[in-house]
Order: sequence, then C-alpha cells, then structure tokens
Amino acid sequence: ETGVTQSPTHLIKTRGQQVTLRCSSQSGHNTVSWYQQALGQGPQFIFQYYREEENGRGNFPPRFSGLQFPNYSSELNVNALELDDSALYLCASSVPGQPITGTEAFFGQGTRLTVV
Amino acid sequence: AQSVTQLDSQVPVFEEAPVELRCNYSSSVSVYLFWYVQYPNQGLQLLLKYLSGSTLVKGINGFEAEFNKSQTSFHLRKPSVHISDTAEYFCAVSARNTGGFKTIFGAGTRLFVKA
Repeated sequence: ETGVTQSPTHLIKTRGQQVTLRCSSQSGHNTVSWYQQALGQGPQFIFQYYREEENGRGNFPPRFSGLQFPNYSSELNVNALELDDSALYLCASSVPGQPITGTEAFFGQGTRLTVV
Repeated sequence: AQSVTQLDSQVPVFEEAPVELRCNYSSSVSVYLFWYVQYPNQGLQLLLKYLSGSTLVKGINGFEAEFNKSQTSFHLRKPSVHISDTAEYFCAVSARNTGGFKTIFGAGTRLFVKA
C-alpha cells in the first residue's frame, strides 16, 4: 500500500470525448508525475507538477493537460480522445529537493482507460 | 537526456534457476536507479533502488542488483526464482529536474517462471 490513490480504476470513453483522471498523493508529497503505459510497454512520462506548477513534460500533445491542487492532489485531463489514448494511466508522488527521499516515486494502482 | 534500455523483452526460466534481467542507461548527469515489478492489472511496486554507497543493492523478494558505473548498467539478479516471480520488471532512471526528479522507464522485461 503506497498511499497514492487513483480514481476511477476503469473507464470507457468514446473517441472525441474528454476525460479527467484523479490522483491523491501520499501524505507530505508535493510532487506528482503522470505516466501513460500502453499495453506491453513501459510507462511513458507525461508531465510532472510541483507546487501546483507544471515542472517538466514528456512528448505528449497539448490536449494532455493537468492540474495540481493546494492539497497536492492532481488531475490529468485528456481532450479529443483518440483510440491510441487507450492505456493504463499511472500517477506517482514524491518529495522533491532532497537527494535521497526525493528520488523515490510511489505509484498508484492506475486508471485503465479504454477509448472506443 | 536520460534513457534506459532493457536488453531482453522476455526471459523464460525454470523454477529454482537463477535469473538476470539486464538494464543499461545513459545520462549526462548523476542518476539514481530503480527496479520496479508490475503484476498483471496492478501498479508498480519498488523492488530496490541505488542512491549512493555500496554498488550491490539488496531488495525485496530475494532480488539484488549491482550498479556498474563504467558499464552504465544496473542488472537485476535472483539466485533462485519462484513461480510467483512471474511478472513484468521495469528498470528506471531518475535524475534531478528543476524542482524535483524525473523518472524514465525502460520498456520492461517479462519474466516467465516455468515449473
């Protein structure tokens, strides 16, 4: 049990729709990262939020956006869904700035998004 | 920029045999190294991590890994595997990003333990 919770666990959406995925960070963690894991592949970094600001972004189009709230919970929003967006979306929280504790990310169980 | 290469996409092995899952990385800055395990339909669980100090790192479930800076490798080993070790294993590299750390994952190695 990592203390990172994601909702919903499963979701089915239609191509062109919009979706919001939610993540509640482990207590005391003010950095959250989002990853997309397509079937049979490793997690791909989408972006990271630190103190409510985007702090690094992977190779994903602008229709992938996010928010981090004052309580450090986070949302991932995807607009104009495409079939290739079908994947497991993982959220990970960590504490930045400290050489040791800041390096370890604690992962949630993920949200399985299916776009039809 | 960081990158991670897991050299084997699948590793079949018999129960109680030893196993090594290979990982090489590249980075222009100092990195921290991790191995995660993912069981079907679940999130990632940390097996072990190298942050500093001894290059031989011991983790959970009898796994260990050795950091080799000259070869930029961080191979995962277990002397005797069990059926329950069947899972996907991911090597990851974390390096300092503005305000925090960014973690990059390899494509994964599927370990399949046969009876």
